[in-house]
Amino acid sequence: GDSVTQMEGPVTLSEEAFLTINCTYTATGYPSLFWYVQYPGEGLQLLLKATKADDKGSNKGFEATYRKETTSFHLEKGSVQVSDSAVYFCALSESNTGNQFYFGTGTSLTVIP
Amino acid sequence: DTAVSQTPKYLVTQMGNDKSIKCEQNLGHDTMYWYKQDSKKFLKIMFSYNNKELIINETVPNRFSPKSPDKAHLNLHINSLELGDSAVYFCASSLYYGSNTGELFFGEGSRLTVL
Repeated sequence: GDSVTQMEGPVTLSEEAFLTINCTYTATGYPSLFWYVQYPGEGLQLLLKATKADDKGSNKGFEATYRKETTSFHLEKGSVQVSDSAVYFCALSESNTGNQFYFGTGTSLTVIP
Repeated sequence: DTAVSQTPKYLVTQMGNDKSIKCEQNLGHDTMYWYKQDSKKFLKIMFSYNNKELIINETVPNRFSPKSPDKAHLNLHINSLELGDSAVYFCASSLYYGSNTGELFFGEGSRLTVL
């Protein structure tokens, strides 16, 4: 079945450090891939998405490239800020399963000044 | 205007009680969902409705009963609450069922604490 695996946290970085959060997926068809972010006390909100292989999603300085050959969608940011502290979820959605979303376990990021 | 709104935001209750959480979306979406997030932030889908019709019903105790009076509302009723029901419950919606490119829009969550 479909699934998403993302790196375990928590991750603690200093401000302006480089961020990578790994995400790999298993899917039977051609999924769309998403990164969601959850700030403390809030619901999840879409950070970026990619709907086909080699697409790059980007938003707020974050980027992720849909790599079909390695079934990966790693999240990166060149210089993190304290305000990026949140929990990040990788997810996939596939029409084979009726657009059901499969979420990773979440990676908690804390950025210290 | 809040796109997906849930009430109440916090709910503290005793074991054995019955409680409801309400959700409304003003996005004109066809599909709505309930997710449960545990203390480790793991998200598990519970139910999904498309245009008032139940389409996803994961392995959830039958003490949990969703109800969708119209496509803009999806409520969750929980009978005989247990300690393990303590979690944050998120309502979400998406434009329509069957498209894999649409995103989910989440409410702010309802934190349920069972004592």
